[in-house]
Amino acid sequence: DIQMTQSPSTLSASVGDRVTITCRASQSISSWLAWYQQKPGKAPKLLIYKASSLESGVSSRFSGSGSGTEFSLTISSLQPDDFATYHCHQYNSYSEWTFGQGTKVEIK
Amino acid sequence: QEHLVESGGGVVQPGRSLRLSCAASGFTFSSYIMHWVRLAPGKGLEWVALLSYDGIERHYADSVKGRFTVSRDNSKNTLYLQMNSLRGEDTAVYFCARDVRLWGQGTMVTVSS
Repeated sequence: DIQMTQSPSTLSASVGDRVTITCRASQSISSWLAWYQQKPGKAPKLLIYKASSLESGVSSRFSGSGSGTEFSLTISSLQPDDFATYHCHQYNSYSEWTFGQGTKVEIK
Repeated sequence: QEHLVESGGGVVQPGRSLRLSCAASGFTFSSYIMHWVRLAPGKGLEWVALLSYDGIERHYADSVKGRFTVSRDNSKNTLYLQMNSLRGEDTAVYFCARDVRLWGQGTMVTVSS
C-alpha cells in the first residue's frame, strides 16, 4: 500500500503570503499526483494534476512541483478565497487511491 | 456535460445497512473504473473502494473490507455502495469519482444511535 504524508496539517497565513504544502509518498508514484482545494459541503476542486499541470480555469497563483516521492503545492500570493483545506492524492496505483491527511489554511 | 450525482445517504443506527447510489451522465459510464471516497468530520479524504469498468475487479480499503460491497449497473449508468455492519467511524460524506477531474457532490451518512 502507498502511504501519503502531507504537512503541515494546519497553516496560518495572511493575504498576500506565499505558502507551500508538501506531500511525501512511501514509494515512487512517478508524477501521478493531484492537488485539490476543498471547502465545507463541497466536492474537492482539482487544482493540479500530474504533479505540475494546472487544471483549466484555475488561477496561475497555484503551482505544483515534484516527482517520485516528494511533491509540493505553492500558492504564490494568498487570496481571501484561498482559505480552505488542501488535499494531495496519489493515483499511480491501479488497485487503490491514497490521500494525504489534508492541510487547513487559516487566516492569521 | 459530465455529471455524477450521489444519493441514499441518511442517519442509520450502528450495525444497520445502507445502500448508496451514484448516477452518471454525459460520458460512457461503462468504459470507466469508478471509485468511492469519503470525508469524515475533521479527517482527510479516504479512498473506500473501486470497481472495474466491467464490474469484475473490486478493491477495498482495509477499513471497509468485508462490510462494504461496490457494484454497478452499466445499463442504468449507476454505481452502488452497499454498506453493512455500519459503525460510528463510517460517518462521513461519501463521494463517487471517475478520475481526478470528475467527482460527485457527495451524500452524507451518519451512523448514530
